[in-house]
Amino acid sequence: QSALTQPASVSGSPGQSITISCTGTSSDIGGFNYVSWYQQHPGKAPRLMIYDVSVRPSGVSDRFSGSKSGNTASLTISGLQAEDEADYYCYSYTTDVTSRVVFGGGTRLAV
Amino acid sequence: QIQLVQSGAEVKKPGASVKVSCEASGYTFINHGITWVRQAPGHGLEWMGWISTYHDKTDYPQNLQGRVSLTTDTSTSTAYMELMSLTSDDTAVYYCARDLWVRHAAAGCPLDYWGQGTLVTVSS
Repeated sequence: QSALTQPASVSGSPGQSITISCTGTSSDIGGFNYVSWYQQHPGKAPRLMIYDVSVRPSGVSDRFSGSKSGNTASLTISGLQAEDEADYYCYSYTTDVTSRVVFGGGTRLAV
Repeated sequence: QIQLVQSGAEVKKPGASVKVSCEASGYTFINHGITWVRQAPGHGLEWMGWISTYHDKTDYPQNLQGRVSLTTDTSTSTAYMELMSLTSDDTAVYYCARDLWVRHAAAGCPLDYWGQGTLVTVSS
């Protein structure tokens, strides 16, 4: 399956805001609101941060927000903190015949 | 509390099969599907498939079709992932994860709880 396209890395200073993009097609991001975002620290399991494009699960800081425009979804982290340094992956349902689900390639956030 | 506890690390030879377990607790097992995801060393996340006990359905990506099998045992609230004809490319950490939505009938659901991961090493 073709992965969703994310930047390999982004960086920001403590207190700043950053945005990570995730570009797909009309078969996935553009066609449905089934985009979620996962945070993964080294050696740890992923953690759900955003689902249904912009919904924050209970327990996730309101510094994390999600949005979508056309075939591109975005994760914004405001008020960056050192603990936000991690890998971030987008994930979407897709109608692609090769796979029902597709992940982004991942973005390494350096704070 | 909700937990997914996976079986321990495995070392397999090329051509062999591996079966990883994922024991769920803290919720009604049949009400939530289970997705399997793997991560090769230094690489990103890869979707391996989904199973719903409630709907008696599975879904696999084409690139693993015929080589991966997902099953569940409701008596022990355990999900299993079996991968056959292993090659060195299958060396990875394998994760199980729970569907957020109750009784969702298709793959692609957000994944709210994850197992701790199981390292499978394929080496001759």
